[in-house]
Amino acid sequence: GQNIDQPTEMTATEGAIVQINCTYQTSGFNGLFWYQQHAGEAPTFLSYNVLDGLEEKGRFSSFLSRSKGYSYLLLKELQMKDSASYLCAVIDSNYQLIWGAGTKLIIKP
Amino acid sequence: KAGVTQTPRYLIKTRGQQVTLSCSPISGHRSVSWYQQTPGQGLQFLFEYFSETQRNKGNFPGRFSGRQFSNSRSEMNVSTLELGDSALYLCASSGGVGDVETQYFGPGTRLLVL
Repeated sequence: GQNIDQPTEMTATEGAIVQINCTYQTSGFNGLFWYQQHAGEAPTFLSYNVLDGLEEKGRFSSFLSRSKGYSYLLLKELQMKDSASYLCAVIDSNYQLIWGAGTKLIIKP
Repeated sequence: KAGVTQTPRYLIKTRGQQVTLSCSPISGHRSVSWYQQTPGQGLQFLFEYFSETQRNKGNFPGRFSGRQFSNSRSEMNVSTLELGDSALYLCASSGGVGDVETQYFGPGTRLLVL
């Protein structure tokens, strides 16, 4: 079956750095998305990786290793507004999106 | 550009009833996908509509159905509601013409079945 694993919950301190991991086992791979979802709101697009390596976008970076079936989202200089759930989603060989359960990130002052 | 809109935002129904949810995509987007989100579960894909045709379908029972209109607006219907249908129902739109496209989500409809 297809599977995406993310930690359920993480806690970090304001101003610090946090890395949210995502491992996947899917039938084929055509890219990986990260979305942010604040409580009670719609998921919003953060990043898309299809090639190995690190993609940096301001305070957020996303890394992909296709050979390891692994990605991470790196958040720097954490702010209270970064408290949200972070969703990892993989596009499989049929171009279907397979979603992880999401990681709830709690930021403490 | 206006974002994806969903109505209603909240809904309370009882077991056995049916419900219809509505989604208006971003102007120009022709693909609408529907998802069910419950605590601890990832987004569960229900179906995708493109140009008024169901293009993909997830593993949900036949009680879950949908349709798309010529203006790309989409509706989702759930018949004979069960307690387990309580969830946040999200729709997402995209252009629909590429293999890999970013999906833009609406705020969701939170359904409570009593």
